[in-house]
Amino acid sequence: DIQMTQSPSSLSASVGDRVTITCRTSQSISSYLNWYQQRPGKAPKLLIYAASSLQSGVPSRFSGSGSGTDFTLTISSLQLEDFATYYCQQSFSTPVTFGPGTKVDIK
Amino acid sequence: QVQLVQSGAEVKKPGASVKVSCKSSGYTLPTYAMHWVRQAPGQTLEWLAWINPRNGNTIYSQKFQGRVTITRDTSATTVYMELSSLRYEDTAVYYCAMGAYYNYEYWGQGTLVTVSS
Repeated sequence: DIQMTQSPSSLSASVGDRVTITCRTSQSISSYLNWYQQRPGKAPKLLIYAASSLQSGVPSRFSGSGSGTDFTLTISSLQLEDFATYYCQQSFSTPVTFGPGTKVDIK
Repeated sequence: QVQLVQSGAEVKKPGASVKVSCKSSGYTLPTYAMHWVRQAPGQTLEWLAWINPRNGNTIYSQKFQGRVTITRDTSATTVYMELSSLRYEDTAVYYCAMGAYYNYEYWGQGTLVTVSS
């Protein structure tokens, strides 16, 4: 199985801050990497697919980059509604695996 | 507007089985495979299996092989996930999810399955 790591595991930030979350995989997955946002008690929401493609309806302050084993999710200017947990997910091979998550909370 | 609506919360004893349903609407033909993903309290997401609603083909995670069964009804709009030989560590929210390839654009609301004696 492909192992996923994320850093940091949590961060505190203020509205307007630029936030960067990193995801690393145990083997190369090309660009088969997705990012999700999950708010408490809710289902995850797809933000970015194929490493850098913005899902329809997702604000342009979210962006993704990377390929191979190293990937980044960036929120250019954090908004109140962005305080949530973010997960990366590899779609290169089954079993599909998810990162441990990064919790973004208010400083 | 694609919608996935799951059945309600369940409480089961260890060793029992649970069957969760996921009804899809908003499109005429099932285009994508339906996946099942679970999330234990405070934990990350874990993929269990998927089914092709058109032909019933399935793929299961090795971890759950032999314990999980995914089926669909004849209209192919409702998919079922049955997990047997339940253990305390199976307590989780179970989601159905769907999208192109393994990109989960659509999610059900989640079904809490609690395993408790």
